[in-house]
Amino acid sequence: AQSVAQPEDQVNVAEGNPLTVKCTYSVSGNPYLFWYVQYPNRGLQFLLKYITGDNLVKGSYGFEAEFNKSQTSFHLKKPSALVSDSALYFCAVRDRGDDKIIFGKGTRLHILP
Amino acid sequence: NAGVTQTPKFRVLKTGQSMTLLCAQDMNHEYMYWYRQDPGMGLRLIHYSVGEGTTAKGEVPDGYNVSRLKKQNFLLGLESAAPSQTSVYFCASSYSGALSNQPQHFGDGTRLSIL
Repeated sequence: AQSVAQPEDQVNVAEGNPLTVKCTYSVSGNPYLFWYVQYPNRGLQFLLKYITGDNLVKGSYGFEAEFNKSQTSFHLKKPSALVSDSALYFCAVRDRGDDKIIFGKGTRLHILP
Repeated sequence: NAGVTQTPKFRVLKTGQSMTLLCAQDMNHEYMYWYRQDPGMGLRLIHYSVGEGTTAKGEVPDGYNVSRLKKQNFLLGLESAAPSQTSVYFCASSYSGALSNQPQHFGDGTRLSIL
């Protein structure tokens, strides 16, 4: 069965510092991996995805994520955080050939001015 | 370009009442999903559909029913609402087949309170 773990409920980062939001996954086959962001009173918005190829993927708003097959991780990163990055972030996984996408429980990111 | 539209946006029900949440998408997506979002629980899949006329159970289907009579619409029904169904409900849609690696598109949610 597929599963996704986001080990941190909340991450606090000072503005201008690099940020990392952690995600690990478990699937029986090869995964499609996604990051989404949710702002207050809104639906989830797609940030980036890993399908195949280069382990470092770049997405919207300067975010990037690194796929690590041996550690089954897909951590979200940004070199320099902005206050406007404060939001709830979700990691999601889809086992290829499966109809369902499984989401982590979310990590709330606070960027401190 | 509306994307995924959910109606209503807010609703308050009394225990035992019934209601239907509507999701409409204009992207010709095959797959549609209903999730509920609760604090500390993330998004949990209630039901989903892989095409017109088909539905399947997700992680937390009890107390809910769904229908997909038209490709663009996916309805979520609560036959007898319970306080435990107080939540924010999200609909999402996506492509299938060779495009199944594409992300889901989400509506802005329906905030439902059961008193």
